[in-house]
Amino acid sequence: EDQVTQSPEALRLQEGESSSLNCSYTVSGLRGLFWYRQDPGKGPEFLFTLYSAGEEKEKERLKATLTKKESFLHITAPKPEDSATYLCAVQGYGSSNTGKLIFGQGTTLQVKP
Amino acid sequence: NAGVTQTPKFRILKIGQSMTLQCTQDMNHNYMYWYRQDPGMGLKLIYYSVGAGITDKGEVPNGYNVSRSTTEDFPLRLELAAPSQTSVYFCASSSGISNQPQHFGDGTRLSIL
Repeated sequence: EDQVTQSPEALRLQEGESSSLNCSYTVSGLRGLFWYRQDPGKGPEFLFTLYSAGEEKEKERLKATLTKKESFLHITAPKPEDSATYLCAVQGYGSSNTGKLIFGQGTTLQVKP
Repeated sequence: NAGVTQTPKFRILKIGQSMTLQCTQDMNHNYMYWYRQDPGMGLKLIYYSVGAGITDKGEVPNGYNVSRSTTEDFPLRLELAAPSQTSVYFCASSSGISNQPQHFGDGTRLSIL
């Protein structure tokens, strides 16, 4: 069964203190791994798609990496405005004709000034 | 840049009442989805559509119905509301069903009392 587990559930950082969020996944053939940011009271906002092990994507202070079993979202020198819940989702080959994404529970990041 | 628009933003229903959650997108996407998000859980797919007139069940379809008469609109209907349907509902759309990121609305927060 396809599964996604994110850790930690919550993370508190001081402004400028770099860290990483983890997304471990089990899927029968990975079509794509997606990272989203969700602010309170809002819908998920798309950040990155990763397709194959070794791939990396960057956007401002965020960098996403992918291995065969997990993905990391590295946050370099975070600012308070990076505070949000970060969601990871995967799509397997078995779901490629339904569009179904399997979401993790998310990591809630708080960055203190 | 409207993207995906959901109405209403909040709603309280009594047990046994019915309602329709509205979703419209202006990106000319063929693929649309309904998810529910419960505290501490990942988003779960309720229904999806690959184009006007074509819909299918997702992971948790019981108690819900959908229709897709136009490319833009994908309403979700709750019949005989139950407390277990208290949740935040998100509509999403994508340009493709495989490997493409899904773009989300800001959700409808529904309480059934």
